[in-house]
Amino acid sequence: EVQLLESGGALVQPGGSLTLSCAASGFRFSSYAMNWVRQAPGKGLEWVFGISRGGGNTYYAGSVKGRFSISRDNSNNTLYLRMNSLRVEDTAVYYCVKENEEYISSGNWFDSWGQGTLVTVAS
Amino acid sequence: DIQMTQSPSSLSASAGDRVTITCRASQTINTYLNWYQQRPGKAPKLLIYAASSLQGGVPARFSGSGSGTDFTLTINRLQPEDFATYYCQQSYTTPRTFGQGTKVEIK
Repeated sequence: EVQLLESGGALVQPGGSLTLSCAASGFRFSSYAMNWVRQAPGKGLEWVFGISRGGGNTYYAGSVKGRFSISRDNSNNTLYLRMNSLRVEDTAVYYCVKENEEYISSGNWFDSWGQGTLVTVAS
Repeated sequence: DIQMTQSPSSLSASAGDRVTITCRASQTINTYLNWYQQRPGKAPKLLIYAASSLQGGVPARFSGSGSGTDFTLTINRLQPEDFATYYCQQSYTTPRTFGQGTKVEIK
């Protein structure tokens, strides 16, 4: 059974930094692209970042350009999201999401989701 | 970015009803359209991929159709556990974008 366990969510001040982690199990982590999707309180879903199986290709949403970065450690089955220059509007539950293929490409889908970790940006 | 627009934003229905949710893309996306269900307080769950393929374990009362820019999610014989919010999502290109969601409520 696929399991994705996010951690690292916290209350942080505007302008601060935070790193989220996602521990994956139940599948061959190194064979699949991974993503972060967020959901602000009471709002819809927003895709944030994606990374190919080897980490060589990354894709991001314009709202996080230059502030967030994604990485993965395939030897430890862990996905990361490094968030810098945090803004109030980054407040959300952040989900770790598995893609069905090895690369971020047309026609794929998100077949497994973690339970999410809450990031609150407030002073 | 490709904009995804769902309608309606919310609807009220009774158990046993047939429900239809539409999703329109701002440009053609072939059949690169997926549907997710999110129950309150839970993570989203994949229902339909590639516009019309049912994810394993999802009841057959869920179905999807469409191509190009217009897509439909249909739920036949609505069950109590189907009251949730439904999102469409395009995977034609990055950034991946979602519709704003359709909340299905109990009448």
